[in-house]
This record gives sequence, C-alpha cells and structure tokens, in this order.
Amino acid sequence: EVQLVESGGGLVQPGGSLRLSCAASGFTFSTYWMSWVRQAPGKGLEWVGNIKEDGSEQYYLDSVRGRFTISRDNAKNSLYLQMNSLRAEDTALYYCASQSNWRMDYWGQGALVTVSS
Amino acid sequence: QSALTQPASVSGSPGQSITISCTGTSSDVGGYNYLSWYQQHPGKAPKLMIYDVSNRPSGVSNRFSGSKSGNTASLTISGLQAEDEADYYCSSYTSTSTLWVFGGGTKLTVL
Repeated sequence: EVQLVESGGGLVQPGGSLRLSCAASGFTFSTYWMSWVRQAPGKGLEWVGNIKEDGSEQYYLDSVRGRFTISRDNAKNSLYLQMNSLRAEDTALYYCASQSNWRMDYWGQGALVTVSS
Repeated sequence: QSALTQPASVSGSPGQSITISCTGTSSDVGGYNYLSWYQQHPGKAPKLMIYDVSNRPSGVSNRFSGSKSGNTASLTISGLQAEDEADYYCSSYTSTSTLWVFGGGTKLTVL
C-alpha cells in the first residue's frame, strides 16, 4: 500500500523558516518525480514545485522560487520542502504527492503551515 | 484567480449525470493532453480520478469519464451516487513558467 506521510508543519512568524518532510513507502520512491501542492484554508489546490527522481532538477511556482527549496533523500525514501522568508499568504495545508508524467497518483494527508505573528 | 476556470458548483440527483467543465488556453488545456481530474472529500486528501484527459486509474469507477475539446476539458459523472458529493479539481501542464496549474474547484452536490 502506498503511503505518504507529511510532518514538520506548525506556526511560524512572518519571515521565518520551516522544513516539511514527507516519508514515502509502498512504492519505489527513487523512480518517481515528487511534487508539493498546497491548499490555503477554504481555497483550491496550488502546485508549489516538484523534483526529478534523482534530485537533479527542481521546478517551482513563481511566487515561491528563491524562498522554497525541494530536496529528497532516496536512501531514506524521503522528500523535503525547506521554506524560508515565509509570508502570511504561504499559510496552507501542504501535500506531498507522487508524480507520474503530469499527474499526481498518490497524496499524503498534508501538513498545516500557519504563518502569523 | 485560478489559471483554469471551473464552475463553482454543480448539482444533480442520484442516478443522473453531470458534467464539470474546465477551461484554459492553448498554453495548457488546449495544447497538451496532460489534463487530470481530482476528487476531494471534506478534510481528505485529493484523489486522482482521470489522467491524460480520459484515462481512469485502476480502481476508479467507470461512471467517471473525461474528454476535451479545444481549450475546454470536461469530467462527466454518470449514475450519480451520494458518495460522489465532493470537490473536483482539474489540473494541466502549462508551457508557462508556472508549469502546472489547477482549476478553482467545483463543489458537486448530490441532491
């Protein structure tokens, strides 16, 4: 059974940093692109970025490029999202998802990030 | 404002069919067949229902079908059931710097 479990969410002040993790199991993690998608409270889905199977390429939403960094550790079957210079508008539930071509096959349950003073 | 346009809500009675539209541009929906649909129940993670415009993942009911014409894609649910009540999102690859866009979501109510 495929499982994606996010962790690391919490309350952070504007300008602060937070690192999310996503633990994967039930599939060959190292052969999949992985994505982060967020959902602000009561709002729709927004793609944040993704990373190639071997970690050699990453792509980002314009509004987070330069502030967020996606990385992975295939030996630990783990995906990460380092978020710096956080803003109120980054407040959201952050999902990790496995990606096949241009679709997201499996999703975690999400980690809530709240940016507030 | 979302990159892809969906109706905010649709409704139907059990057993009926409904269609949800998703309108984009030639840079996304109209230019590529990387169009997928996701179902999200309240408090739950999204679930892939349709990919590459009209393909169903294993385990998804054949009551769900997808199509595309020009810059507009559609999700049709036939034989509506109470369990289909959820939010539905379309998503597409885009040739813009954003790379991947979602629609604003459509709330399906089963009357």
